[in-house]
Amino acid sequence: LAKTTQPISMDSYEGQEVNITCSHNNIATNDYITWYQQFPSQGPRFIIQGYKTKVTNEVASLFIPADRKSSTLSLPRVSLSDTAVYYCLVGDGGTDKLIFGTGTRLQVFP
Amino acid sequence: EPEVTQTPSHQVTQMGQEVILRCVPISNHLYFYWYRQILGQKVEFLVSFYNNEISEKSEIFDDQFSVERPDGSNFTLKIRSTKLEDSAMYFCASSGLADQETQYFGPGTRLLVL
Repeated sequence: LAKTTQPISMDSYEGQEVNITCSHNNIATNDYITWYQQFPSQGPRFIIQGYKTKVTNEVASLFIPADRKSSTLSLPRVSLSDTAVYYCLVGDGGTDKLIFGTGTRLQVFP
Repeated sequence: EPEVTQTPSHQVTQMGQEVILRCVPISNHLYFYWYRQILGQKVEFLVSFYNNEISEKSEIFDDQFSVERPDGSNFTLKIRSTKLEDSAMYFCASSGLADQETQYFGPGTRLLVL
């Protein structure tokens, strides 16, 4: 499984757009990029998944450049409730397990 | 929206006791998983289960651990003889045939071994 690197923490203010970048230099051809969110004492929650270019859903956007060696999770107009840990995971889907790193701890201030 | 449920939400047990953690995956899902998260640490994969058998397990999942799908809805994790270091949040997850790579997690069971 490809190793991922993302910032340990980020701070933002309510209403701002937050972009969290993850690098995955060893991503394989079959790998998808998936982002999860975790609140304290809760299970990880699926946010978004993509393979290339841009994916958008009601919660976030995921930008993946052509070389796919990095990806950026974009959260538009964050609120206090977006304070959480965000995990970037890379895998081929055919692999059962999800390998979580330490994630990015996002703190949103009023 | 369908969700994974887990019981109990909290469990306190004495070292050496057996515990069974229960999960009800999303009803049409076919792949089931257990993860754990020790306080302040990463989420760690324990085991995956498909077609009534273990498909993959981690080094953590030793002989003290077992999983079972006793009926059409429940998925259980049994720890035969708990150790202090088994104290953690245990998360069940499930995924469907169409999008196996998207796993949906339950709220977790907080296990405390004294």
